[in-house]
Amino acid sequence: NAGVTQTPKFQVLKTGQSMTLQCAQDMNHNSMYWYRQDPGMGLRLIYYSASEGTTDKGEVPNGYNVSRLNKREFSLRLESAAPSQTSVYFCASSEDVVGAAGDSNQPQHFGDGTRLSIL
Amino acid sequence: AQSVTQLGSHVSVSEGALVLLRCNYSSSVPPYLFWYVQYPNQGLQLLLKYTTGATLVKGINGFEAEFKKSETSFHLTKPSAHMSDAAEYFCAVSGFGSSNTGKLIFGQGTTLQVKP
Repeated sequence: NAGVTQTPKFQVLKTGQSMTLQCAQDMNHNSMYWYRQDPGMGLRLIYYSASEGTTDKGEVPNGYNVSRLNKREFSLRLESAAPSQTSVYFCASSEDVVGAAGDSNQPQHFGDGTRLSIL
Repeated sequence: AQSVTQLGSHVSVSEGALVLLRCNYSSSVPPYLFWYVQYPNQGLQLLLKYTTGATLVKGINGFEAEFKKSETSFHLTKPSAHMSDAAEYFCAVSGFGSSNTGKLIFGQGTTLQVKP
């Protein structure tokens, strides 16, 4: 009953270092998402992948890159970490979009998050 | 564009009291609406969702929400608060259109404190 698994759970980096956050889901979902959560700002979408091989920018994509490795895995990379990227990062997945307007009645399933501190 | 406003970033209730968390949305099409709960150091968990049909939606842990189109609201309630309900709660609306297809638009969140 894993659902969405994120690794690592915690990480401390120095400014300028790079790292990749991993996410995998076992629910056979096509859509996957990366969010960051900061106090008082709710969840902000970084990148989104509607299917294997496709990715789209969200609200706050600057400083990040993503890879949809296969249907199960969606990774987030910080090429040169900055203190402003200190945050809690969440990965999520959902079933396909439905509805003529492109909206979806399917909930997103979230991982437990990666707490990232950049010094 | 869609948006979600949660009134009150912090709500405090006594154990056994009514819980009311407010959510108003903006959408030009009939919305799909969601409430999520986040316990400390965990991810978001779906409480309930409204898609179509009955406007009063029941969720997990005794929570329910009522979709009121005329008021563009989707407030979350629970008749009697329990200490274990202390968490952060997020309201969300499903996005649509070229920029928001497949996405969820989240409110800022409301932290619920339950006092003994």
